[in-house]
Amino acid sequence: GNSVTQMEGPVTLSEEAFLTINCTYTATGYPSLFWYVQYPGEGLQLLLKATKADDKGSNKGFEATYRKETTSFHLEKGSVQVSDSAVYFCALRKAYSGAGSYQLTFGKGTKLSVIP
Amino acid sequence: DAMVIQNPRYQVTQFGKPVTLSCSQTLNHNVMYWYQQKSSQAPKLLFHYYDKDFNNEADTPDNFQSRRPNTSFCFLDIRSPGLGDAAMYLCATSRDSGPLSNEQFFGPGTRLTVL
Repeated sequence: GNSVTQMEGPVTLSEEAFLTINCTYTATGYPSLFWYVQYPGEGLQLLLKATKADDKGSNKGFEATYRKETTSFHLEKGSVQVSDSAVYFCALRKAYSGAGSYQLTFGKGTKLSVIP
Repeated sequence: DAMVIQNPRYQVTQFGKPVTLSCSQTLNHNVMYWYQQKSSQAPKLLFHYYDKDFNNEADTPDNFQSRRPNTSFCFLDIRSPGLGDAAMYLCATSRDSGPLSNEQFFGPGTRLTVL
């Protein structure tokens, strides 16, 4: 079955540090890949996505590239801010095949804390 | 603003006492989902509706039921909550099921406490 593995947290960084959160997946075909962010006390928000190999998703300074050869979708940001403190979830949606393909499979989440 | 609304944000119930969580959306999306998220864990899909078509995940306990009376509303009913059902419950929506409609929009969640 499908699965997503993300690096264990928590991750603590100083402001303006470089961020990498690793994500690898197991799935057949070409799933769509996502990063969601969950701020304290809130629901999940889509941060970025990629729907095919070599696509790069980007938003708010965050980037992730869909690497089919390494089955990875690592999240990066060049300079984090205190406001980036949140839990980040990597997720996949299996390749579209009609009914039953709506499900997102999430990783366990990585908590990021950015200190001034 | 178009959005996904969940009420209440915090719900306390007693062991075995039925409870209903509510979700509404102004996005006019035809797919609605319920997820359970336990502390420090990933959200786990319980079931989803495609229009009025109900789709239950194989490992969702019978204790969990859902109703969708119209496009805008979806309810999660827990018939006899146990201590293990304490969690954050997330509602999400998405537009149709086609291959280009990937994004799910989430509500803020309802945190359920079982005493």
